[in-house]
Amino acid sequence: KQEVTQIPAALSVPEGENLVLNCSFTDSAIYNLQWFRQDPGKGLTSLLLIQSSQREQTSGRLNASLDKSSGRSTLYIAASQPGDSATYLCAVGDAGANSKLTFGKGITLSVRP
Amino acid sequence: GAGVSQSPSNKVTEKGKDVELRCDPISGHTALYWYRQSLGQGLEFLIYFQGNSAPDKSGLPSDRFSAERTGGSVSTLTIQRTQQEDSAVYLCASSINRGSGYTFGSGTRLTVV
Repeated sequence: KQEVTQIPAALSVPEGENLVLNCSFTDSAIYNLQWFRQDPGKGLTSLLLIQSSQREQTSGRLNASLDKSSGRSTLYIAASQPGDSATYLCAVGDAGANSKLTFGKGITLSVRP
Repeated sequence: GAGVSQSPSNKVTEKGKDVELRCDPISGHTALYWYRQSLGQGLEFLIYFQGNSAPDKSGLPSDRFSAERTGGSVSTLTIQRTQQEDSAVYLCASSINRGSGYTFGSGTRLTVV
């Protein structure tokens, strides 16, 4: 059974700092990996999707990497802003036919002005 | 529509009553998923639809839960004889195919009193 871990559960940084959010998973037989953002009381917003054959994806100030063999992904946020404050969720896509996602519990990020 | 639409956004119901939650996926998205997010818990997979069929119902927590999808589009999640532990945010997501990643709706917050 796939397990996804995100540590720490919460993180507080000053504005402008570059930061890395970590995600680890137990079963390397994945189809893809997706990073989401969730604001309080809201649904999930997709940030980046990495296919199992890819090593990284970039969008603006965000860069996500994937090391399937070691069961790790990182989300790099450059020059953090208060508006980046949210919960960041890592989700691993199952290699089976249904492609269901297994989620970590998320990292709650607070960027202080 | 442009995104995944869920209704109602909030639902308060008395214990023992039945509820129906609706999901309208992005047009053309053949895959549809239901997840549940309980307070302090991660997202939990409930059911997967491909077209109108549900090849994976393994996440439904009890036989009080059922879901259907008609016309390859709208899906309804029904919870019969609701219990307080059913209180959660129910999220729906759709995907055009396995490799394209998920788009989530804003969810239905269900409170059973």
